[in-house]
Amino acid sequence: EAGVAQSPRYKIIEKRQSVAFWCNPISGHATLYWYQQILGQGPKLLIQFQNNGVVDDSQLPKDRFSAERLKGVDSTLKIQPAKLEDSAVYLCASSKTGIDNSPLHFGNGTRLTVT
Amino acid sequence: QKEVEQDPGPLSVPEGAIVSLNCTYSNSAFQYFMWYRQYSRKGPELLMYTYSSGNKEDGRFTAQVDKSSKYISLFIRDSQPSDSATYLCAMSVYGNKLVFGAGTILRVKS
Repeated sequence: EAGVAQSPRYKIIEKRQSVAFWCNPISGHATLYWYQQILGQGPKLLIQFQNNGVVDDSQLPKDRFSAERLKGVDSTLKIQPAKLEDSAVYLCASSKTGIDNSPLHFGNGTRLTVT
Repeated sequence: QKEVEQDPGPLSVPEGAIVSLNCTYSNSAFQYFMWYRQYSRKGPELLMYTYSSGNKEDGRFTAQVDKSSKYISLFIRDSQPSDSATYLCAMSVYGNKLVFGAGTILRVKS
């Protein structure tokens, strides 16, 4: 099966600019996640979708980050305006369901550098 | 104090050695425990999944969970250069709301 696809792989922007990342999950996976991985740290969950509804966005900085999953398939994560501390790898993951024992499959991420 | 603590390493071992990787945690409600492997510039991939306490073995990999000590381990037997990666522990109370450790960098020298 095809894996989780993410684009772009790399992005460099200046602070206060906006940026968007795209994710296409594994076909048939109902649950989609966006994680932020800062260098030297483990991934931190930003938002979890179940189909096209938000399950958990408690750690999403809503003043600057937004995400949507239209039609319950692809998803876009946006940052506007970006700050220096947003420099990180943004990982998208999907799973068949959002319950236990449904493993997460990660994409290779988008590496964002904010200058 | 972080919910999940993991020594960042790097841990450098010769080929064929037994590797021990560990995490401690503070939240006694965690009941699902996972180990992920992450190669450079790649996404994490699931290696081992354990529910509650006990041991689980899969090939050269063994995962152990000791809930009484809030301590989990991953053992790699007969380590290979291809095992060189960052190993992330992760755990959850319920569902797939995972809390990750910072990861341990492992280098296996041939």
